[in-house]
Amino acid sequence: KQEVTQIPAALSVPEGENLVLNCSFTDSAIYNLQWFRQDPGKGLTSLLLIQSSQREQTSGRLNASLDKSSGRSTLYIAASQPGDSATYLCAVSSGGYNKLIFGAGTRLAVHP
Amino acid sequence: NAGVTQTPKFRVLKTGQSMTLLCAQDMNHEYMYWYRQDPGMGLRLIHYSVGEGTTAKGEVPDGYNVSRLKKQNFLLGLESAAPSQTSVYFCASSTVLDSTEAFFGQGTRLTVV
Repeated sequence: KQEVTQIPAALSVPEGENLVLNCSFTDSAIYNLQWFRQDPGKGLTSLLLIQSSQREQTSGRLNASLDKSSGRSTLYIAASQPGDSATYLCAVSSGGYNKLIFGAGTRLAVHP
Repeated sequence: NAGVTQTPKFRVLKTGQSMTLLCAQDMNHEYMYWYRQDPGMGLRLIHYSVGEGTTAKGEVPDGYNVSRLKKQNFLLGLESAAPSQTSVYFCASSTVLDSTEAFFGQGTRLTVV
């Protein structure tokens, strides 16, 4: 059974720091991996999607990498800002029909 | 661009009451999903549908029923609500390709007292 784990559960950093959020999964047979952002009381916003054949994806200050063989993905946030404060969720698509298995998330707080 | 719209956004139910959550998508997606999110846990799949008239069980289907009578709508029903069903419910949709992005609604916060 696929399981997704995110470390750390919570992170508090000063503005300007570069961050790395970690995601691991137990079964390497995935179709893709998505990183989402969730603001308090809000829905999920897709940040990056990495196909199983890709190694990384970039969008602005965000860079996500994927190592299927080791079952790991990292989300790198450069020059963090208070507006980056949110919960970041990692999810893998496996088992067909784009069904997603989610990690519990990393709650990020960036303070001025 | 409405995307995925959920109705209602908030609801309080008494134990034993029933209700239906509505999800509507305007992207002509074949696949639709219902997830629940509980504190300290990731989202978990309740039921999903791969096309009009089809439904299938996810990871945590007990206590819920679903229907997909129209392609753009996916309904989640609670026949007899229990406090354990207090959660935030998210609907999502995606295309038929196995490696495409899923789009999520804003969520429905349900409290069962």
